[in-house]
Amino acid sequence: QTVVTQEPSLTVSPGGTVTLTCASSTGAVTSGYYPNWFQQKPGQAPRALIYNTNNKHSWTPARFSGSLLGGKAALTLSGVLPEDEAEYYCLLYYGGAQPWVFGGGTKLTVL
Amino acid sequence: EVQLVESGGGLVQPGGSLRLSCAASGFAFSNYEMNWVRQAPGKGLEWVSHIMSVGSPIYYAGSVKGRFTISRDNAKNSLYLQMNRLRVEDTAIYYCVRDGDGYQSRGDYWGQGTLVTVSS
Repeated sequence: QTVVTQEPSLTVSPGGTVTLTCASSTGAVTSGYYPNWFQQKPGQAPRALIYNTNNKHSWTPARFSGSLLGGKAALTLSGVLPEDEAEYYCLLYYGGAQPWVFGGGTKLTVL
Repeated sequence: EVQLVESGGGLVQPGGSLRLSCAASGFAFSNYEMNWVRQAPGKGLEWVSHIMSVGSPIYYAGSVKGRFTISRDNAKNSLYLQMNRLRVEDTAIYYCVRDGDGYQSRGDYWGQGTLVTVSS
């Protein structure tokens, strides 16, 4: 069974920079996994941030960026704001009969 | 404005069935791939099922394959999830999710979800 692993929790200071990562149990994450990233705040539905590794939606703030880093997908927040405190999920594409798998999520605390 | 409104959730006994619906508006529903994604209480997201714009191919997570059936009615701008042989572990909020226009853009719009509780 494919497992997608994210840091369970991270803490960042307001104005700081933080990188969240997304690893695959099958090996290095490449562009062919088409990573997508989502933000979810308590009591709300998830909101899409990044698709296909580094593409932003029209509503994605400029301080969010996606990349590949050291064999993982990465989401970097630069100039973090208190409102960025949320759970972040990655989604990877594996093809086949069960094409998509979410990571377990990273709880980001802004403190 | 894109809107996805789920309905049909509720309390059901283990082994029972439920049919979820998602009413779509504000976009050309027949042009978009759609998904169901669920979230158990206090847990992370789990992709459940995907359907192409024309109705096939269809994909399922292993945890629901053989028990759940996704379908759509493009004339009614609606997405469905028929859930049979429900288990306690199927308890979750079920989200109707649209895939985006961009290449490999997944889940650009989400409904607010409908809660399914499987309990005796």
